Amino acid sequence: DAGVIQSPRHEVTEMGQEVTLRCKLISGHNSLFWYRQTMMRGLELLIYFNNNVPIDDSGMPEDRFSAKMPNASFSTLKIQPSEPRDSAVYFCASSDTGVSYEQYFGPGTRLTVT
Amino acid sequence: AQTVTQSQPEMSVQEAETVTLSCTYDTSENNYYLFWYKQPPSRQMILVIRQEAYKQQNATENRFSVNFQKAAKSFSLKISDSQLGDTAMYFCAFMNRFNNDMRFGAGTRLTVKP
Repeated sequence: DAGVIQSPRHEVTEMGQEVTLRCKLISGHNSLFWYRQTMMRGLELLIYFNNNVPIDDSGMPEDRFSAKMPNASFSTLKIQPSEPRDSAVYFCASSDTGVSYEQYFGPGTRLTVT
Repeated sequence: AQTVTQSQPEMSVQEAETVTLSCTYDTSENNYYLFWYKQPPSRQMILVIRQEAYKQQNATENRFSVNFQKAAKSFSLKISDSQLGDTAMYFCAFMNRFNNDMRFGAGTRLTVKP
């Protein structure tokens, strides 16, 4: 298995633009987690899904952030409009909560908003 | 809410020696998992070791072992025979098994010196 796949790996955009980050889960996993990592705040859980259903989105910072899981293997995290303070590395992770609860992380997307 | 504390922002160790990274957590839950993740400069998050709270035996994975003290809410990581490739940020994490909520500590930057 190729592991968790994220795209793009790097994204540079101007303030006010829409940004879409993508994540493909490991085949057979049933849970997906979106994290944001910054120097100031460390690793923060933004939202997670179980069996395509959003379970907890209390970590989503603002209404500008939205996440979807249109099918069992794919998710998007959208920021509209983007702001410079959104600059961070965004990780998604997947797990099979029926087996081990271990989370397997993707390589991350480094987002820079200018 | 669960909190995870890593009190050592930075540590260093000589190659081939042993080092222990500290982690404490605060929770009222009884059913949870604990993890140590490694993040090298490539920024990939790599699972090092995990511990189920209901297990009294400390987990081990080759050169990595934990000292899990449930009553003290302590979960330290011991790295034996340190190698240059162990240089990385190490994150302690707590997962509530009831709702899959995952919380990370602030991390410890470990440098292995030749």
